[in-house]
Amino acid sequence: GQNIDQPTEMTATEGAIVQINCTYQTSGFNGLFWYQQHAGEAPTFLSYNVLDGLEEKGRFSSFLSRSKGYSYLLLKELQMKDSASYLCAVIGGGTASKLTFGTGTRLQVTL
Amino acid sequence: KAGVTQTPRYLIKTRGQQVTLSCSPISGHRSVSWYQQTPGQGLQFLFEYFSETQRNKGNFPGRFSGRQFSNSRSEMNVSTLELGDSALYLCASSEGRRITEAFFGQGTRLTVV
Repeated sequence: GQNIDQPTEMTATEGAIVQINCTYQTSGFNGLFWYQQHAGEAPTFLSYNVLDGLEEKGRFSSFLSRSKGYSYLLLKELQMKDSASYLCAVIGGGTASKLTFGTGTRLQVTL
Repeated sequence: KAGVTQTPRYLIKTRGQQVTLSCSPISGHRSVSWYQQTPGQGLQFLFEYFSETQRNKGNFPGRFSGRQFSNSRSEMNVSTLELGDSALYLCASSEGRRITEAFFGQGTRLTVV
């Protein structure tokens, strides 16, 4: 099976940087995704990592270490609108199309 | 390019009834996945279809079924509804055989009373 762990909640200040960690255990790893989900809305795709290293996309960056089963999402210059849940998901178990999600990290950005 | 469209957005059904939800993927996308989201369990994978074939299935009872049509539109059906089936049902659209991006629709909020 697959196991994905993320912190349940985090709080950070507007303008700051926050790092949301995700650890996973899976066989046949085929990629890791990060999604943002505002309350009452659908998840929005943020990033996909399949190779080790850092992928940067504007204020958001995602890092992957396959050997450690570890990823993080880095959010810079935090804005109030970044208050949302951040979901880590893994494709593994020998499939190339089944995403297994963690329970998500609820980020609260404060003034 | 239009996004992923799910209909209906909201449904209220009675225990024992059945329900059919629809998902139209992004034009050109051939993979459609279905997920159930509840506050306690998060996003749980139901099944995934690619070119009208079910490629993967999650750990849900046989009351949950789906299908995909030749135009890539997909439906999921839940029979003999139970109170615990109340959830947000999301579908995700992806382009090809290997998923490197998956885009979600707005979901169908199902309430079973």
